Amino acid sequence: QVQLVQSGAEVKKPGASVKVSCKASGYTFTSYTMHWVRQAPGQRLEWMGWIHGGNGNTKYSQELQGRVSISRDTSASTVYMELSSLRSEDTAVYYCARDTGPLGYNYGMDVWGQGTTVAVSS
Amino acid sequence: DIQLTQSPSFLSASVGDRVTITCRASQGISSYLAWYQQKPGKAPKLLIYTASTLQSGVPSRFSGSGSGTEFTLTISSLQPEDFATYYCQQLNNYPYTFGQGTKLEIK
Repeated sequence: QVQLVQSGAEVKKPGASVKVSCKASGYTFTSYTMHWVRQAPGQRLEWMGWIHGGNGNTKYSQELQGRVSISRDTSASTVYMELSSLRSEDTAVYYCARDTGPLGYNYGMDVWGQGTTVAVSS
Repeated sequence: DIQLTQSPSFLSASVGDRVTITCRASQGISSYLAWYQQKPGKAPKLLIYTASTLQSGVPSRFSGSGSGTEFTLTISSLQPEDFATYYCQQLNNYPYTFGQGTKLEIK
């Protein structure tokens, strides 16, 4: 079945970086765009960026530009999200999510990972 | 950034009720709007995309409508498993943004 499996919870100190992985299975990895979305405790969802399944191009939220990087390993059907210069406000659950639209068109996220909790604390 | 405002933020209803949630965008977003359902401790679930297309496997009691700046999600007859928080998301302009959520509770 189609699924996304994310890496485990992380605890980081302010100023550090975190890299979260998302392994896809059950579908053609290069045929879909993958998004990253986060949710701070009690807050709304926040879109972070995407990576194009076909060509690996990326698009990031301007608010996170310079601190976030999304990459992939097509041989391992895995997408990575790295966030640097961590602050307490980055404490959240981080999700990878596949877009349901054809490549080049973002319609919404139909398959989600289980979420990875990242806690930033001194 | 495009602001999405959902109303109401909290909704109390009974099994069998028909409920409607509204999502208003601060500027036009064509039909690039999705609706999600989220239960505590779980990832969101896609219900509707491109404003009115029902995601495969989602019960037909869910429907979406609208375009431009005003959108609605309707649940025709609430079932016990529908009590959750609902979010709209626009995918027309960067950054993609979400509404603040509507928490649907049992009356």
